[in-house]
Amino acid sequence: KAGVTQTPRYLIKTRGQQVTLSCSPISGHRSVSWYQQTPGQGLQFLFEYFSETQRNKGNFPGRFSGRQFSNSRSEMNVSTLELGDSALYLCASTLGPGRSGANVLTFGAGSRLTVL
Amino acid sequence: ILNVEQSPQSLHVQEGDSTNFTCSFPSSNFYALHWYRWETAKSPEALFVMTLNGDEKKKGRISATLNTKEGYSYLYIKGSQPEDSATYLCAPYNNDMRFGAGTRLTVKP
Repeated sequence: KAGVTQTPRYLIKTRGQQVTLSCSPISGHRSVSWYQQTPGQGLQFLFEYFSETQRNKGNFPGRFSGRQFSNSRSEMNVSTLELGDSALYLCASTLGPGRSGANVLTFGAGSRLTVL
Repeated sequence: ILNVEQSPQSLHVQEGDSTNFTCSFPSSNFYALHWYRWETAKSPEALFVMTLNGDEKKKGRISATLNTKEGYSYLYIKGSQPEDSATYLCAPYNNDMRFGAGTRLTVKP
């Protein structure tokens, strides 16, 4: 079955612009999480969506937002881009949150954003 | 929010060496502990999920243990090979998945 698909893979923006990234989860997966990775930092949790609702949010400013559609596809948006937003943005899907926490994440290839 | 610490930050070993690294996390409100391997130019891939204190999981030369009471997990690699070179990430699950900074392993031929 198809994996997690992220688009675009690479993009270059300038400060002040906004960007929208897309993530299509594995068929049947209803939970999508977003992470940011910058040099020297681990994966920083942005937010998680399940059934079109944001379940959790990490410690990021309000410029970072997301949404999930009825087909479980998710988008994240960053407005008023800053140089520090240059990063690899990964999304990951799983069946659902599950109380046991045993559902593994399947990651996409990522979207690499460069802000000039 | 869980504070997840992984050590060491990086590790260089010779092919054939065995190695291990640590993931520590607050032991309260714990549900599960995940390990992922992230090779350069690829996406992170799941290695293990452990939920019970004393859990041990094994996949080939890689194994992991879990101590939920003291809040740590060890990942072991026996007879390291160059293809084991990657960043190993752990993530305790507590309503969502927060990752440690990872241990970057380099195995020299």
